[in-house]
Amino acid sequence: AQSVTQLGSHVSVSEGALVLLRCNYSSSVPPYLFWYVQYPNQGLQLLLKYTSAATLVKGINGFEAEFKKSETSFHLTKPSAHMSDAAEYFCAVCRGGSNYKLTFGKGTLLTVNP
Amino acid sequence: KAGVTQTPRYLIKTRGQQVTLSCSPISGHRSVSWYQQTPGQGLQFLFEYFSETQRNKGNFPGRFSGRQFSNSRSEMNVSTLELGDSALYLCASSLQGTSGQETQYFGPGTRLLVL
Repeated sequence: AQSVTQLGSHVSVSEGALVLLRCNYSSSVPPYLFWYVQYPNQGLQLLLKYTSAATLVKGINGFEAEFKKSETSFHLTKPSAHMSDAAEYFCAVCRGGSNYKLTFGKGTLLTVNP
Repeated sequence: KAGVTQTPRYLIKTRGQQVTLSCSPISGHRSVSWYQQTPGQGLQFLFEYFSETQRNKGNFPGRFSGRQFSNSRSEMNVSTLELGDSALYLCASSLQGTSGQETQYFGPGTRLLVL
């Protein structure tokens, strides 16, 4: 079975500070990993995804994530937080084939302080 | 291209009633998945449809059902509503839904409140 664990249900940073949101996965096969963002009263928007083409993945809004097989991690980072980054972030793993579905972590709420 | 659309956006029902939610995928997408989001359980997979067939189902009671039409639009139905069914219901579409690396694009969701 595949699963993801997001460490820290709430992360608070100052504007301009580094953003680090943690995600660890467990998978018996090479995983396909995703980061989604959810703004209040909205659906999920894809930030970036890992599909084994490159271990460092760049996404939208200045976010990036690095796939580390040895650590089974796929942490999300952004060098400088902006007020507009305040949202909930979800890490997910996807299976293909007959069991095609996303399995999500519990989410991390990011607060950006002025 | 227009994104995934869901109707209605908000819904209030009472216990015991039934409800039908609708989802129109991105044009050309044939796979439609449904997820339930609650504060306690987070995001949970309900089911996935492709070419009018349910290919995959999550761990939800039989009160939750769905269908897909020939134009790939999908509906989900919840019968005999319970208070615990109050949630944001999200629909997502993807091209084929065969490879795990396919991106699922989400709609804005339908927020259901059961009183």
